[in-house]
Amino acid sequence: EMQLVESGGAVVQPGGSLRLSCVASGFSFENYAMNWVRQAPGKGLEWVSGITWNSDTIGYADSVKGRFTISRDNAKNSLYLQMNSLRPEDAALYFCAKDLRGVVRSSLDSWGQGTLVTVSS
Amino acid sequence: QSALTQPPSASGSPGQSVTISCTGTRRDVGGYNVVSWFQQYPGKAPKLLIYEVNKRPSGVPDRFSGSKSGNTASLTVSGLRAEDEAHYYCSSFAGNTLVIFGGGTKLTVL
Repeated sequence: EMQLVESGGAVVQPGGSLRLSCVASGFSFENYAMNWVRQAPGKGLEWVSGITWNSDTIGYADSVKGRFTISRDNAKNSLYLQMNSLRPEDAALYFCAKDLRGVVRSSLDSWGQGTLVTVSS
Repeated sequence: QSALTQPPSASGSPGQSVTISCTGTRRDVGGYNVVSWFQQYPGKAPKLLIYEVNKRPSGVPDRFSGSKSGNTASLTVSGLRAEDEAHYYCSSFAGNTLVIFGGGTKLTVL
């Protein structure tokens, strides 16, 4: 069974930094593109970032470009999101999600339960 | 990167069919046959219902079907059941390793 477990969410002050992690199991992590998707309380889903199977192509939503960095370590079955210069509007539940293909295509067939990021002074 | 447009709400009676639309542009929905639909219950992670416009993952009932015409994709839920009451989101590949979601539709089973 495919499983994704996120961690790293916390309460952070505006302007602060945080690193989210996602550990995968139950599938060949190195073969698939991975994504971060967030959901603010009571709001809809927002795609944040995606990375191809071999890290050669990466994409970001305009809202986080230049502040967030996605990366992966296939040897550790892990996906990361480094978040800098955090803003109150970045507060959300952050999901790790697996793509059906090795490239980012929005066909997200497995999701974690999310890790909560709160940005508040 | 503007969100895809979905109606905020939809409803139908048990046994009926409901169709939810998802409108984008030629740079996303209209430009690629890579539209997905997700179902989300409160407090739960989303679940993939449809991918690549009209394909169903294993285990998704064939009551759920997808289609696309021009810049608009649609999700049809046939034979509505009480358990179909949830939020539904569309997403589309938008080129250059970009993905866009719709704002979501709350489906109510009357």
